[in-house]
Amino acid sequence: ETGVTQTPRHLVMGMTNKKSLKCEQHLGHNAMYWYKQSAKKPLELMFVYNFKEQTENNSVPSRFSPECPNSSHLFLHLHTLQPEDSALYLCASSPSDSLSETQYFGPGTRLLVL
Amino acid sequence: DQQVKQNSPSLSVQEGRISILNCDYTNSMFDYFLWYKKYPAEGPTFLISISSIKDKNEDGRFTVFLNKSAKHLSLHIVPSQPGDSAVYFCAGSQGGSEKLVFGKGTKLTVNP
Repeated sequence: ETGVTQTPRHLVMGMTNKKSLKCEQHLGHNAMYWYKQSAKKPLELMFVYNFKEQTENNSVPSRFSPECPNSSHLFLHLHTLQPEDSALYLCASSPSDSLSETQYFGPGTRLLVL
Repeated sequence: DQQVKQNSPSLSVQEGRISILNCDYTNSMFDYFLWYKKYPAEGPTFLISISSIKDKNEDGRFTVFLNKSAKHLSLHIVPSQPGDSAVYFCAGSQGGSEKLVFGKGTKLTVNP
């Protein structure tokens, strides 16, 4: 399998649940990103990892907890979310965290919080 | 405050004609801009970029124009094809940062 994959593609969870989103890239990249796209809002950067180290946390609430065990995998652990957290969560990767490198996106996980 | 604005949520053009998608930005420190294209149920894919040292970048049917004084950029697609129907996102960044700031997107429909 090639490119950037995300699982699950759809997720419905209650506010007391704990769930995790998974992203995997098969491109040999070293940087990975989590983005959030809410309805009628711009795509927002949440976290950046470069060589497994977090280099950016864009003021994301602590109910979102990222994990990057290696350069190919990125997780987003979710707990005690709110209905307003319902959105499309996109993962991306790039060869490095330099802007000269194009970011490649996964298909996203559509999350609904009830 | 929205730093990147795409004021037209949708645009419809005829096949073979020119599509012009507009983007305005407020952050004068932005020095690199990108356009992404997104089909339903897929992630955005990179389309074309431009550095602030240029005012035009062309790649096949796609041309991006940058007007720094007006803080405005536009994406021209000519000739437009039905397969170009997608949502187009404009994004800006400053100082080589990996932090892209996206607009809300414009949905382009190219009618056969």
